[in-house]
Amino acid sequence: KAGVTQTPRYLIKTRGQQVTLSCSPISGHRSVSWYQQTPGQGLQFLFEYFSETQRNKGNFPGRFSGRQFSNSRSEMNVSTLELGDSALYLCASRGQGTYNEQFFGPGTRLTVL
Amino acid sequence: SQELEQSPQSLIVQEGKNLTINCTSSKTLYGLYWYKQKYGEGLIFLMMLQKGGEEKSHEKITAKLDEKKQQSSLHITASQPSHAGIYLCGAVPGAQKLVFGQGTRLTINP
Repeated sequence: KAGVTQTPRYLIKTRGQQVTLSCSPISGHRSVSWYQQTPGQGLQFLFEYFSETQRNKGNFPGRFSGRQFSNSRSEMNVSTLELGDSALYLCASRGQGTYNEQFFGPGTRLTVL
Repeated sequence: SQELEQSPQSLIVQEGKNLTINCTSSKTLYGLYWYKQKYGEGLIFLMMLQKGGEEKSHEKITAKLDEKKQQSSLHITASQPSHAGIYLCGAVPGAQKLVFGQGTRLTINP
C-alpha cells in the first residue's frame, strides 16, 4: 500500500503571496489532518477533514484554509503569506476509529522570503 | 486544553547505553502515541498505548503508560545510531485531533 504523499516537497514564496499544498492519503483512509511544525512552536494541529467536511480546527488565523475532495485527497491553502508561515507542513491520514494511528507524509517545507 | 511535556528536551548518549524519555500530560490520556522523526521529515509511527499500565515493545524500544494514564515513558535498550532522531509523544484528547509534546532530540555518539 502506498503511503501518504505530499506535493510539493519544497516551496519558496515571498510575503503576500498565497500557496496551495496537496496531500494524498493512504488508499481507503477518509480522514486527513494537517499540521504545522516550527522550531519554536513544535507540531501544531491545523485542521482535520473527513469525507469532505472539516471535522476539527486548530487555533490558526483564517488565512489558513483547506478542503478535501471526494477521493479523500486534501489541499491546504495559505493566503497572504507572512515570514512566520515558514515551516514544515505535514499531513496525516487515518482509517476510521478514534484510536487508529495517523500515518504521516514526508511534509512540505515552505520558506517565505 | 491538554498539554504534553516531554523530558528531557535533548539527550546525548553513548552507543550501547540505555535511555528513557518521558511524556507527561496535563490531563488524563485516552490514547498515547509515540512517533519518531528524522530531521525535516515526516513522523514514523512507533506504537500506541491505551490502557493504564500497558506496555509495548518493538525491537529495542519499550513504551509504557502509567496506571493513572497521565504519563508515558519510552525506553531504548542498547542504543544504536539508527535510534537517533526526534521522539514525539502525541495524545488523543477525545476530540479527534492529536496534541503533541515538543519533542526530544536524541543523539547517539559512536
